[in-house]
Amino acid sequence: LAKTTQPISMDSYEGQEVNITCSHNNIATNDYITWYQQFPSQGPRFIIQGYKTKVTNEVASLFIPADRKSSTLSLPRVSLSDTAVYYCLVGTNAGKSTFGDGTTLTVKP
Amino acid sequence: EAQVTQNPRYLITVTGKKLTVTCSQNMNHEYMSWYRQDPGLGLRQIYYSMNVEVTDKGDVPEGYKVSRKEKRNFPLILESPSPNQTSLYFCASSNKGITEAFFGQGTRLTVV
Repeated sequence: LAKTTQPISMDSYEGQEVNITCSHNNIATNDYITWYQQFPSQGPRFIIQGYKTKVTNEVASLFIPADRKSSTLSLPRVSLSDTAVYYCLVGTNAGKSTFGDGTTLTVKP
Repeated sequence: EAQVTQNPRYLITVTGKKLTVTCSQNMNHEYMSWYRQDPGLGLRQIYYSMNVEVTDKGDVPEGYKVSRKEKRNFPLILESPSPNQTSLYFCASSNKGITEAFFGQGTRLTVV
């Protein structure tokens, strides 16, 4: 499984767009990129998944460059309730999965 | 309501006393998995199951057992718990491996 590297923490203010980048230099051809959100003492919640280019859903966008060695989760107009830990995962759907250390996002008023 | 249910939510036990943490999902998912989460270490996979009677080791399987006799249930068994298994445990299920997985609310286990 490819190792992922994310910033340990980020700060933002309400209403701003937040971009969290994940580095995965050893990503394999069959690997997907998946992002989860976790609030304290709760289980992670699926946000978005992609393979290449750009994916958008109702809560976030995921940008993946052509070489796929990194990806960027974009959260538009964050609010205080977006304060959480965000995890980037890289792998197939074959079962084994490795979460990185995650990025703690703090949104300030 | 689609959900993954873990029981108990909190448990304090003594070293060596066998325990089982149950996990049940109502979404007919084929894939289920157990993770433990410790401060500063993120989530680490213990065991996973791709379908009934099919289980495999994750990154930290030592000291744990699992079984998958029915599609909806995936219990985590600690035959002889030790203090280093004190942790927050999460069960997850999905139809696509770790993609779009639903997680339970967690079980906070303390072994003294």
